[in-house]
Amino acid sequence: DTAVSQTPKYLVTQMGNDKSIKCEQNLGHDTMYWYKQDSKKFLKIMFSYNNKELIINETVPNRFSPKSPDKAHLNLHINSLELGDSAVYFCASSQGLAGVVNYEQYFGPGTRLTVT
Amino acid sequence: KNEVEQSPQNLTAQEGEFITINCSYSVGISALHWLQQHPGGGIVSLFMLSSGKKKHGRLIATINIQEKHSSLHITASHPRDSAVYICAVRLGGAQKLVFGQGTRLTINP
Repeated sequence: DTAVSQTPKYLVTQMGNDKSIKCEQNLGHDTMYWYKQDSKKFLKIMFSYNNKELIINETVPNRFSPKSPDKAHLNLHINSLELGDSAVYFCASSQGLAGVVNYEQYFGPGTRLTVT
Repeated sequence: KNEVEQSPQNLTAQEGEFITINCSYSVGISALHWLQQHPGGGIVSLFMLSSGKKKHGRLIATINIQEKHSSLHITASHPRDSAVYICAVRLGGAQKLVFGQGTRLTINP
């Protein structure tokens, strides 16, 4: 059973198109994340949701819109795709928001987005 | 300058060697994570620690809060350990993780 799954695994599209990446976790976690990994393998947080509520929005262009229909799903919709959006996008989840207690994060397999 | 710096950036060793990867950070943290990213791309959490030392099989992670430094050690390294190892810290009071640039480890048979 896959804990955190993402679809699609690969996405090739042209500039200007709109695309979505879906993420689902079956771990019963409350918190989900989207990360972007650039060509140099550098990971950076984009968004975090806790129980469907936006917690982190890390100065991402508003062409990127996350949507959490329920706490097991966090989808990422990207409008008007640009060349610079080409990257690997990782979804992750954790049991809850880190506070006094720290939680491990579980990552999805990644979605490689190529914008031509 | 990134808040999290790893060294070395690339490391090649022979099977059986003892491996050390270092991570330094510049601000107070609540927790430090070590992640492994295999050539296929998937990311796996290896350790999460806020003090002391943790061991799992041939992997050992240590952290020195006063010196703002952590190390990941691999004993009796094996070609299957070849991967990118990523250090990430949760800054004190914050929710987000800040990542190092990763260390690409290659173990030759």
